[in-house]
Amino acid sequence: AQKVTQAQTEISVVEKEDVTLDCVYETRDTTYYLFWYKQPPSGELVFLIRRNSFDEQNEISGRYSWNFQKSTSSFNFTITASQVVDSAVYFCALSGDSSYKLIFGSGTRLLVRP
Amino acid sequence: DTGVSQDPRHKITKRGQNVTFRCDPISEHNRLYWYRQTLGQGPEFLTYFQNEAQLEKSRLLSDRFSAERPKGSFSTLEIQRTEQGDSAMYLCASSSRDSSTNLEQYFGPGTRLTVT
Repeated sequence: AQKVTQAQTEISVVEKEDVTLDCVYETRDTTYYLFWYKQPPSGELVFLIRRNSFDEQNEISGRYSWNFQKSTSSFNFTITASQVVDSAVYFCALSGDSSYKLIFGSGTRLLVRP
Repeated sequence: DTGVSQDPRHKITKRGQNVTFRCDPISEHNRLYWYRQTLGQGPEFLTYFQNEAQLEKSRLLSDRFSAERPKGSFSTLEIQRTEQGDSAMYLCASSSRDSSTNLEQYFGPGTRLTVT
C-alpha cells in the first residue's frame, strides 16, 4: 500500500527563520514520483515540485530546497528566510507506476509571523 | 494559458437532492482527476479519466457518485441522494500524458459542497 506521512501538523516561525517540513512515504513501486503542493488560504492547490525516484539529486529553487533520501524514504522541504506569504498548508504527495493518482499526506500548516 | 476551472464554486443543497459539478481541464491535458478534501485533511482520490475512458475509481466512490467525460474534454461529477457526509471540497485536476514532461497535476479552485 502507498502512504504519505506528514507528522508535523502545524509549525509556527518568525519571519526570516528557516523551516523544514518533513515527509515520509511508503510504496512498493520501484518507480515512483514525489510532489509538494502549497494550499494558501485562498484554497487552490499550487504545484511546487516533482521528484522521480530514480533521481536523488537535491533541488534548490530560490528560497525553497528539497532533500530526497531514498534510504530513509523521506522527501523534506526547506524554506530559507521564511516570509509571511509562505503561510499556507503544505502537502506532500506520492504516485507510482501502478496508478497515476496522487496519495496525499495530511498536510503541515505553516504560520510565518511578522 | 487558462488553468483548470470548476463550476459552481459553492453549492448548498438539502439532503436527498442530486448535485452535479463541472470541470474544464487545461486544454491540452488528456488526463483528468477528481479528488475530495474535507477540513484539515489532504485531498483523497476519487476517479480519473484518460481522454473519455474512466480508468480508475476509488472505493470512496459509492454507487451514488458517477463521473463522466463524454468527449474527452470537460467532466461532470454527479452525486445522487446527497448525505451530510458528502459535504466537502471537490477538486478537479488535469495532467499531460507526455511522460517526458509533466506528470504533475494542476488543480482547479474546487467546488465546496454543503449538504444541510
